[in-house]
Amino acid sequence: GESVGLHLPTLSVQEGDNSIINCAYSNSASDYFIWYKQESGKGPQFIIDIRSNMDKRQGQRVTVLLNKTVKHLSLQIAATQPGDSAVYFCAENSGGYQKVTFGTGTKLQVIP
Amino acid sequence: ETGVTQSPTHLIKTRGQQVTLRCSSQSGHNTVSWYQQALGQGPQFIFQYYREEENGRGNFPPRFSGLQFPNYSSELNVNALELDDSALYLCASSPGTGFYEQYFGPGTRLTVT
Repeated sequence: GESVGLHLPTLSVQEGDNSIINCAYSNSASDYFIWYKQESGKGPQFIIDIRSNMDKRQGQRVTVLLNKTVKHLSLQIAATQPGDSAVYFCAENSGGYQKVTFGTGTKLQVIP
Repeated sequence: ETGVTQSPTHLIKTRGQQVTLRCSSQSGHNTVSWYQQALGQGPQFIFQYYREEENGRGNFPPRFSGLQFPNYSSELNVNALELDDSALYLCASSPGTGFYEQYFGPGTRLTVT
């Protein structure tokens, strides 16, 4: 499949360690944020979302933190596994019709 | 798998030609959004269709147009193809236009020569 990871910042993490992927957003009117995972040759896959009235949300092995003051979003992955290797995008939505704006992405490489 | 399918998987066209890409939404979903993803970049929103009407549009010229059918499947049409149109075209379906999770298809890789 085609690579979506060219020219992207890369985070290399040892298997079993925790990963933190950061994202800065620009639109202070954004009220809904989503993290997506994209593997080579596939479309983006929803991981977790958070509304602007929250600052933390937890899922299975993942946590999203939102800091509206500095317009910063982070994704924490606990006990990173080889299957977590992919490109991760943060995305924001400020329109009621789901005009989702994606960030540039971070490539996560898990070292066995 | 998300249940969203796209066809064709790959396509090669010549500059100036026209292309139609197709998307079948997940069962029960009435909203389809289209995105363009250039190599190494994040997807960019093209437009969204909700119950057969265009419901929002990104910064793409009018030569990018679409349709949604009564069964909620959708087409993306691009006229007068340019080299910069080479990209992965993704569609995503959702059960509505609010804060719903979008389910993406695998995409169509378009190459314009």
